[in-house]
Formats: sequence, structure tokens, C-alpha cells
Amino acid sequence: EIVLTQSPGTLSLSPGDRATLSCWASQTVRSGYLAWYQQKPGQAPRLLIYGASKRATDIPDRFSGSGSGTDFTLTISRLQPEDFAVYYCQQYGSSPGTFGQGTRLEIK
Amino acid sequence: QVQLQESGPGLVRPSETLSLTCNVSGYSINDGYYWAWIRQPPGMGLEWIGSVYQSRGTQYNPSLKSRVTMSVDTSKNQFSMSLYSVTAADSAVYYCARTFYYYYHMDVWGKGTTVSVSS
Repeated sequence: EIVLTQSPGTLSLSPGDRATLSCWASQTVRSGYLAWYQQKPGQAPRLLIYGASKRATDIPDRFSGSGSGTDFTLTISRLQPEDFAVYYCQQYGSSPGTFGQGTRLEIK
Repeated sequence: QVQLQESGPGLVRPSETLSLTCNVSGYSINDGYYWAWIRQPPGMGLEWIGSVYQSRGTQYNPSLKSRVTMSVDTSKNQFSMSLYSVTAADSAVYYCARTFYYYYHMDVWGKGTTVSVSS
């Protein structure tokens, strides 16, 4: 199975900053089948990005995804207070679909 | 608006079977999509358990394949999972979700239900 490694483990930033989160795959992710989720405490994950760069329904345009092959990035252009959460990447290019261990985005 | 709601016991004894149901509202399971179960141990990341498609097929994570079954009840617009011979390592928040293929990304999630395995 494909192992996803997210970096950094924790990112400390301030509202208005730009956040860059990375996700590396142990093998090429077929067709860029990479998704990003946001999870807040006590809540279910929320789909942000699929197909590496496509925003899900009702996701603000400050969230953007990029990458291909084994290297993927989630960028949040101007952090809002509600963006501080844990972010997970998921590959679905091959079975089983697997998730990264998460990046915690905290207020500096 | 599609909504999913998990239900099941919050406590299961070791070696017994964990059974959960996901009620789907606002959408007919028969109309398409695949339906998934995902779990998250306390303080840890997410793990895809498996998915079911109408009454036609299932696909499971190889790590759990020998202990899990999933099914659909179209008359109740529900889908279910059973995990056999549970241990403390199976303690987690269990989510049901809608997906586009067995192991693809999930766009609608239930709120999750916490299951503890303990004697």
C-alpha cells in the first residue's frame, strides 16, 4: 500500500499568514488521485480538495491544492481564525486508500 | 441535503462483534455512489475500513478483510458493518461516509460514533 508522509507535523502561524502543507507518497499516486481534508476537534473530516487541485463544493478559494506523482501541496493563502485545525491528505489512486498522519495548524 | 448518521453500541467486549449502522437521509442508496466506513483511534489518524456498493459489491482494507463484513439494507436506506473478534486496538471513532468508488475520496460524512472495546 502507498504510505503518505505529511510535513510539518505542526505548523504555527498567525491569521493572515500563508500556510503551505506537504504530503509525500511512497509511490506515484495514479492520475493525481489525492485529496485533502480538514478536521476540527470533535468533528468529522471535511473534504477540501480532490484530484490534487479541485476544490470541493463550498470550499473558499483561499484553499488550493497542487502537485503530482509523489509530491503534493495544500496552500491556504490568507489564514482565517476558522482554518486552524488538523489537515489530512488521502491517496485514492490504488487500493487501499490511505491517509497521511496529519498536520496540525495552530495559532502562533 | 444528504445526511449520514451512525448508530451502534458504545462499548463492546473483547473477542465479540462490533456492529454499526449508518442511516442515510436526503438520498437513496440505490441511486448510486458507494458507501464507506472509516475509523480513527483516539488521537490518531484515519483508516479506511471498507466500502459497499448497493447490494452488488464490497471492498475491504486488506488489514481488516478477514474480520469485517458490510451490507446494504435498501428498504431502510441504511448500510452496516460488522467487525469480528475485536480487541482494544479496535477502539476508535467510527465514521460512515459517501464515496465515489470503493476507496476514493469521501464528500459527505456522518458525525461519527465512539466505540470502546473493554471488558
